[in-house]
Amino acid sequence: GENVEQHPSTLSVQEGDSAVIKCTYSDSASNYFPWYKQELGKRPQLIIDIRSNVGEKKDQRIAVTLNKTAKHFSLHITETQPEDSAVYFCAASFNNNDMRFGAGTRLTVKP
Amino acid sequence: DAMVIQNPRYQVTQFGKPVTLSCSQTLNHNVMYWYQQKSSQAPKLLFHYYDKDFNNEADTPDNFQSRRPNTSFCFLDIRSPGLGDAAMYLCATSADRGPYEQYFGPGTRLTVT
Repeated sequence: GENVEQHPSTLSVQEGDSAVIKCTYSDSASNYFPWYKQELGKRPQLIIDIRSNVGEKKDQRIAVTLNKTAKHFSLHITETQPEDSAVYFCAASFNNNDMRFGAGTRLTVKP
Repeated sequence: DAMVIQNPRYQVTQFGKPVTLSCSQTLNHNVMYWYQQKSSQAPKLLFHYYDKDFNNEADTPDNFQSRRPNTSFCFLDIRSPGLGDAAMYLCATSADRGPYEQYFGPGTRLTVT
């Protein structure tokens, strides 16, 4: 089955700086890679996702890159704001059949 | 507008006393998932339904069962809760099989005393 590793486990940045979170996956058949933001006590919320037929996707301050050959994908947040502070999870699956999440990254944006 | 609804939001049960958690959706999605999330951990997939087709994860304990009586509702039954089953249980839906977004409900926090 799929195995997803995520780094770093904690990340602290100054407001306005960029944050990068990296994930690797094991199953070359995986074709869907979402990123979720989860605030304390709340549901995971999708912030961006990428499918295996593209290498990069951007939505305002958030971007995701995918390297299928190396089996890794990364989340980039630019111009970070205090409200970006949360736990971020990457995930990977083949057609959502067996979604596997990374262990999470606790991002703290200091004002 | 609530799209994936979970009831109750908080559930307390006694060790060994069966408990049922409920999920409903207004999205008319074909696929419904149940995840277990323990404190400071990632969500872990327990099982999912594609329409009426039940798909169990290999490492999901037999203590956990699920029912989907219709498109809108899905239930998680824990037959004999142990202290280790205390967690947040998240329901999610997606439109169909394939690389589509999963929509999560707010979760039910289960406490076992």
